[in-house]
Amino acid sequence: DVKVTQSSRYLVKRTGEKVFLECVQDMDHENMFWYRQDPGLGLRLIYFSYDVKMKEKGDIPEGYSVSREKKERFSLILESASTNQTSMYLCASSSGGVGRNTEAFFGQGTRLTVV
Amino acid sequence: AQTVTQSQPEMSVQEAETVTLSCTYDTSESDYYLFWYKQPPSRQMILVIRQEAYKQQNATENRFSVNFQKAAKSFSLKISDSQLGDAAMYFCAYRSARRDDKIIFGKGTRLHILP
Repeated sequence: DVKVTQSSRYLVKRTGEKVFLECVQDMDHENMFWYRQDPGLGLRLIYFSYDVKMKEKGDIPEGYSVSREKKERFSLILESASTNQTSMYLCASSSGGVGRNTEAFFGQGTRLTVV
Repeated sequence: AQTVTQSQPEMSVQEAETVTLSCTYDTSESDYYLFWYKQPPSRQMILVIRQEAYKQQNATENRFSVNFQKAAKSFSLKISDSQLGDAAMYFCAYRSARRDDKIIFGKGTRLHILP
């Protein structure tokens, strides 16, 4: 079974803390994504990476950064957590190819609360 | 920029009946992929069905089928013989055929199944 694993299911952090959300995939996928999910807003792309050490900003990159040092791991970093970053964070990966293997596979999500 | 629009925030259907969820998208590209994802309450996002834009035939997966109208940029999901387990958030998504492109999601439709 293909797998995308996020390091935490639930996290509670304090305002101003530096927060790391980790994501690992075992499918040798080129592309990895971080989305934020909020009620009524759907999934909004924060950052994505199509190769090791490569990253592209999504629609809402402000307040976030990412790191991809190895193909299987994609980290989301909140440099200084704020209460408006309280949300569900979803990691996904996909093949960079064409044909059948084009869809994204998702992790279980991390519900982050910033207090 | 590509966009995905789901105009129905919530829908309800009687068990065993048929329901259609709407999705429209905007793109200037000719080669792309469209997806419907399902997110059950507190559970992982999973792929329901995939459509390649170059294929004229509508995709079908058991009780799930799509109506893909490329000229109209419309991609609706039909669920036949609705079951209680179909209750979930459904997201429409788009991805171009380029290797390094992102996957864009709509805001979702929450589907309720009435017993």
